[in-house]
Amino acid sequence: KNQVEQSPQSLIILEGKNCTLQCNYTVSPFSNLRWYKQDTGRGPVSLTIMTFSENTKSNGRYTATLDADTKQSSLHITASQLSDSASYICVVSDRGSTLGRLYFGRGTQLTVWP
Amino acid sequence: EADIYQTPRYLVIGTGKKITLECSQTMGHDKMYWYQQDPGMELHLIHYSYGVNSTEKGDLSSESTVSRIRTEHFPLTLESARPSHTSQYLCASSVQTGQGGRDIQYFGAGTRLSVL
Repeated sequence: KNQVEQSPQSLIILEGKNCTLQCNYTVSPFSNLRWYKQDTGRGPVSLTIMTFSENTKSNGRYTATLDADTKQSSLHITASQLSDSASYICVVSDRGSTLGRLYFGRGTQLTVWP
Repeated sequence: EADIYQTPRYLVIGTGKKITLECSQTMGHDKMYWYQQDPGMELHLIHYSYGVNSTEKGDLSSESTVSRIRTEHFPLTLESARPSHTSQYLCASSVQTGQGGRDIQYFGAGTRLSVL
């Protein structure tokens, strides 16, 4: 069964600290993996997208890594800010259809305290 | 910031009412989607469209219907709302970039629906 599992479910860190969010998936065949940031009451916004040939992708203070062999990805946030408080969603796309079906994780709820 | 708009942002209605959730995008994207999301849960695809006059049901069974008469407009309709329809509904559109399957989805802000 194609699944995307994220950990931890929630995380609280102090402003300025770094953190790493995890994503494990069983989606096959694999096309690409995305990380989205979803602020409370808003729609998700794309942070990074990686294909199987890419093992790291950065977007400002966000760095995503991908290990297609172990089917794991991580999102590292450096020097966290209060505005980083949000849900971070891992999404995996397969190659099984012309739509490129997306499988969503439940997200990690990150809270940054001052 | 993506140019995709959803209205209303919040809606509280009584059981049995007919409602239409609006979604419009000005980016000229052919593909559009509707997702349903409950608090703390993953997004579930309920409808999608490849283009004008194309609509398909998603993975999650839904009593809602959609139409795609114009490229920029993808409304979702519930003929008779029930409390079980209470949820957040997110609309998205996408464009393919570069390698096959690497399409970027842009989401609207969502409509939070409460059926009493």
